This record gives sequence, C-alpha cells and structure tokens, in this order.
Amino acid sequence: NAGVTQTPKFQVLKTGQSMTLQCAQDMNHEYMSWYRQDPGMGLRLIHYSVGAGITDQGEVPNGYNVSRSTTEDFPLRLLSAAPSQTSVYFCASSYSGRGYPYEQYFGPGTRLTVT
Amino acid sequence: QQQVKQSPQSLIVQKGGISIINCAYENTAFDYFPWYQQFPGKGPALLIAIRPDVSEKKEGRFTISFNKSAKQFSLHIMDSQPGDSATYFCAASLLEGSARQLTFGSGTQLTVLP
Repeated sequence: NAGVTQTPKFQVLKTGQSMTLQCAQDMNHEYMSWYRQDPGMGLRLIHYSVGAGITDQGEVPNGYNVSRSTTEDFPLRLLSAAPSQTSVYFCASSYSGRGYPYEQYFGPGTRLTVT
Repeated sequence: QQQVKQSPQSLIVQKGGISIINCAYENTAFDYFPWYQQFPGKGPALLIAIRPDVSEKKEGRFTISFNKSAKQFSLHIMDSQPGDSATYFCAASLLEGSARQLTFGSGTQLTVLP
C-alpha cells in the first residue's frame, strides 16, 4: 500500500493564481482531511470529509474548496492564492473515529509558497 | 482560540537524558489524547495515545502522563536518543457526529545532542 500520497511536493504561485493540491489514499478510509502547518501554530484543520459526496469546514476554510467524488481522492483547491496561504499542507485519512486506537495517517505534505 | 496549549516550543536534551513536553487543554469533552511525531520533510505519525480513564501509558521509552483534574498531559521520553530529534505535537480529540476531530498543540522541536 502507498498509504496517503500528495502531489506536488513543492509549488510556487503568484498572488491571484489558482491551483489544486492532490491527495489520494489506498486504505479505503472513510475520513479524509486537509491541514495546514505554520510555524508555532501546529496543524490547523481546513476541510474534512466523512465519505464520498460529504464535506465540511474545519477551523480555517476561507480561500479553499474541496470535493470528494470517490473514496480515494480528496483534492484541495485554492481559488485565488494569497501570500497568507504560504504554508505546508498535509492530507490525512483514517477509518471512522468510533474505535480505538484511533490514528490519522498523514501524507508527506506539499510546501506552497505564494509570492 | 487555542484549545490545546503546548510547551516548550523547543527543547535541547543530551543523549541519555529525559525529554518532557507538556500540554494543557480546555474542553472537557475531549476523550482521546494522542501524540504525533514528525521528522523533517515528513508528515506527522502517531507515536502514542491515551484515553482519560487511565493516568499513564507507557510504550518503550515513551510515556504519557495524564492528569484529568488539572486538564494536563505530558510526554516523557526516557533515555533520549539523537534519532528522537523531531517535532512532537500533542493533540486532543472528540467525536463530532461521524467524525473524530483532532485539535493539535503548537508543536515542540526536540533536539537530542550526541
């Protein structure tokens, strides 16, 4: 199993450009999520999905869109990039949270710079 | 609003020493407390976790101590090794509908000197 994969690894955008960060998992996980990691702020939840066709907002959703058409894929779209969106983005997946131990599996991240 | 506060921000320990990272939470509805370890250029990975019905959990050199009344928990790394050098995140979790959400602390960058 490849686990959680993310593309691209690095990306530089100009202010106002749009792009899509790709995320895929091959573990048949119901739950998928996107986080952003900024120095001194930990990981903050952007959007999440509990299954195909179901998405919801996290703590910092503004400027981002998501959709989930399949169990495997959960792309994150930046509509009009801003310098404040410079960050490292992580995709994660897990089974439903009703059992223990509970673990979210993270991808390797995408480092995005907006100039 | 930071629901999980983590300290220190950075920590330097000699090889063989004990590393201690502390976290405090506010929401008493949290019912699961994991620690994640992140190496440079990698995504975080689950290290160890505890439920609030126990006060301590040990896995090898890693121990979580949990104080429910104080709403605090900590990670202890015994006999710290250079390979433990990484960023550590505490987290607190609760089940919201059909999704278990994680709220992360701000992270601690641990350096273990050889």
